[in-house]
Amino acid sequence: AQSVTQPDIHITVSEGASLELRCNYSYGATPYLFWYVQSPGQGLQLLLKYFSGDTLVQGIKGFEAEFKRSQSSFNLRKPSVHWSDAAEYFCAVGLNTGFQKLVFGTGTRLLVSP
Amino acid sequence: KAGVTQTPRYLIKTRGQQVTLSCSPISGHRSVSWYQQTPGQGLQFLFEYFSETQRNKGNFPGRFSGRQFSNSRSEMNVSTLELGDSALYLCASSLAGSITEAFFGQGTRLTVV
Repeated sequence: AQSVTQPDIHITVSEGASLELRCNYSYGATPYLFWYVQSPGQGLQLLLKYFSGDTLVQGIKGFEAEFKRSQSSFNLRKPSVHWSDAAEYFCAVGLNTGFQKLVFGTGTRLLVSP
Repeated sequence: KAGVTQTPRYLIKTRGQQVTLSCSPISGHRSVSWYQQTPGQGLQFLFEYFSETQRNKGNFPGRFSGRQFSNSRSEMNVSTLELGDSALYLCASSLAGSITEAFFGQGTRLTVV
């Protein structure tokens, strides 16, 4: 069965420091991969996506992610974190089955310290 | 361009009642998916509709149902509410029929007492 693992439940980063959030997936075919961000009480906002092509993808708000097929990973990075980045981040895999369905990881809550 | 609109934003219901949640997708989008988000189970897929047809359903009991109208607006219904149905229900709108970017609404927070 398809699954997504985000091994870090919480991460605390100092403002201005770099960030890397880990995501590993299990899926038999070529995955469609996404990162979403959720602020408290809000819906999900798409940060970036990988469908094919260049394995380093750029997203909004200065985020990027790298797809590594050999490691089944799609880690999210940002070179310098801002206090407004504090939120919960979800990695998701889209199933290439002809219909729209996302399988989400359990999320990583990012705390930003001054 | 308006985003995905979910109504109502908050609901409080009593065990045993039923509830209907509404989702208006982005104009031109024909696929609507529903997800349940709880602290214990995370984000779980409920079902997806495309052109008024349910194409896939997640592992939820039959008390959870939905439909889509000709204008792509969707509703989901939960009958005989249980305390465990308390959750944030999120609707996602997509342009095409297969996997593409999904845009989420703000969600409906359902509390069952």
